[in-house]
Amino acid sequence: SYELTQTPSVSVSPGQTARITCSGDILPKEYAYWYQQKPGQAPVLVIYKDNERPSGIPERLSGSSSGTTVTLTISGVQAEDEADYYCQSADSSGSYPVFGGGTKLTVL
Amino acid sequence: QVLLQESGPGVVKPSQTLSLTCTVSGGSISSGAYWWSWIRQHPGKGLEWIGYMHYTGRTYCNPSLKSRIIISKDTSKNQFSLILSSVTAADTAVYYCARDPRGSSSEPGCFDYWGQGILVTVSS
Repeated sequence: SYELTQTPSVSVSPGQTARITCSGDILPKEYAYWYQQKPGQAPVLVIYKDNERPSGIPERLSGSSSGTTVTLTISGVQAEDEADYYCQSADSSGSYPVFGGGTKLTVL
Repeated sequence: QVLLQESGPGVVKPSQTLSLTCTVSGGSISSGAYWWSWIRQHPGKGLEWIGYMHYTGRTYCNPSLKSRIIISKDTSKNQFSLILSSVTAADTAVYYCARDPRGSSSEPGCFDYWGQGILVTVSS
């Protein structure tokens, strides 16, 4: 089981908005991070510290936080956004990293 | 540009020891700004943090794996390594090395640079 819970799959049509959520009791106390992973590739950091975007990440990807849930929002979804997305934060003691189970984003 | 590259055997026999090395270029593992991590991904599954090391040599490991893990470094080669003992089929996974840029913070950070990953299969 995971200390961070993600919906296994989300499907959207091109141009729509995709929202991927991650829930966990630690999230009000610890930052959340988001990774995008395409098949056969290493994960890529797309959001850090809940809502900050690394350089080179498109503005259509954004992060937000509310209580025990953090959300990755992808506006104007494109075919290239189809990937697995993982949230990451800390364990219940705040000592080491934990990942959510991942969400597969399908672009219809 | 920071690059990380995993190396090691692709196949390990059950009960034996898995040994992997991560070579870092474009940055020094002796920098106090970073922690150096190992993460794995079982086939078709999610990500699992294995452990990490600070430049001082301090290490933290996933409690579920702690008794079988050693993480070490070779600063002269700018490399850090993972040793996982007594492997079973459940250790078959893609193993990644990655960098955590959290500096002196005691709280886990993110992983901003990753290696390409190496598939390790445990099989006789």
